[in-house]
Formats: sequence, C-alpha cells, structure tokens
Amino acid sequence: GQNIDQPTEMTATEGAIVQINCTYQTSGFNGLFWYQQHAGEAPTFLSYNVLDGLEEKGRFSSFLSRSKGYSYLLLKELQMKDSASYLCAAMDSNYQLIWGAGTKLIIKP
Amino acid sequence: IAGITQAPTSQILAAGRRMTLRCTQDMRHNAMYWYRQDLGLGLRLIHYSNTAGTTGKGEVPDGYSVSRANTDDFPLTLASAVPSQTSVYFCASSELTSGGAEEQFFGPGTRLTVL
Repeated sequence: GQNIDQPTEMTATEGAIVQINCTYQTSGFNGLFWYQQHAGEAPTFLSYNVLDGLEEKGRFSSFLSRSKGYSYLLLKELQMKDSASYLCAAMDSNYQLIWGAGTKLIIKP
Repeated sequence: IAGITQAPTSQILAAGRRMTLRCTQDMRHNAMYWYRQDLGLGLRLIHYSNTAGTTGKGEVPDGYSVSRANTDDFPLTLASAVPSQTSVYFCASSELTSGGAEEQFFGPGTRLTVL
C-alpha cells in the first residue's frame, strides 16, 4: 500500500534549528513535496525534491533519499511565525499526491 | 479573482440535503482536485480532473460527485449529506504536463458541518 509517516508534533525554540522527518512508500515515485499549513488556513507550497540531495531555499532546506524512501525538512533560525503544521506528500506514478497527516511544529520563545 | 476561490466559506447542513461546493481558478491550470481534511488524518483525495471534460475518482469518492465543464470551474456535489462528511474541504489546481506535475495551489477551504 501507499503510506507516508511523519511525527505528529515537535517543539523547538525560537532561533534554533529543527528537522522534520518523513518516510514514504508509494506505487511509483515522481517527487516529494513539503507544504506549510497555518491553523485554519490552506496549505502553501514550500519545496519539491525529485533527485537525491539537498535543496536550499532561504531558511528552509529539504533533503531526499530515494533509495531509503526518506525526506526531511530543515528549518533554520526559527521564528514564531513558523509555528504551523508541515505536510509531507509523495507523488505516485499517476501523479497523485499521497499525504502524511502533518507535523505540528510548536515554537517557544 | 487571484488564484483559487471556494464558496461557501462555511456551511451547516442537515443530513439528507444536497449541497454543492464551488471552486474556481484563474490560473488556467489543467488539473484540479478536491480533498477533505480531517483531524489526525492527511489530506484525502475525493475526485480529480486532469483536464476539462474528464474526471477521476480518488481515495474517498463515495457520496461525492464532480463535473468539469470548463477549465476554471470544478464543483463538488454531495447528493445526500451524512454526518461523516463533516470536514474541511479544499480545492486545488496544478499544471499537469507530459513531464510531470507541478505543485498544487490550494483554495481557502470550505468548512462543512452535517447534522
């Protein structure tokens, strides 16, 4: 079957670094997406990886290992506004996204 | 219009009633999607459309129907609402090409309560 696993909740301190892990199993693979979702709002796109390695975009970076079925999202210099849920989604062979339940990130001052 | 709009923003509905959730995009994306989001679960695909005139079933299609008469609009209909359809519904769109699919853009969501 198809499955995405990510931690339910994480807590970090303002100014620190946090890594949110995601493992996936899909029928075929066409890339790994990360989305941010603030409470009561729609998901917004953060990053896309289809090749192994690290993609850096400002304070956010995303890593992919296709052989391990593993990705992480790295957030640096955490700000209070980064408090949100982070959704991992893998694209299967039919170009449909399979979504994880999301990781709720709590930032403490 | 900028991006994707959904209507209504929220709705309380009696069980057994028919309801249509509206979704319109102005990005000329060929692919559109309807998801439901429930606490503790990931987004679940209800129906999708890869291009105007075609639709497909997602993971949880039962009790829902869609149509795609043109590129911009993708309404979702609940023929006879049941309490288990209480959820937040998101419409999304993306560009689907022969090389793959780009990121999905989401509407603001419709919060539906079925009593």
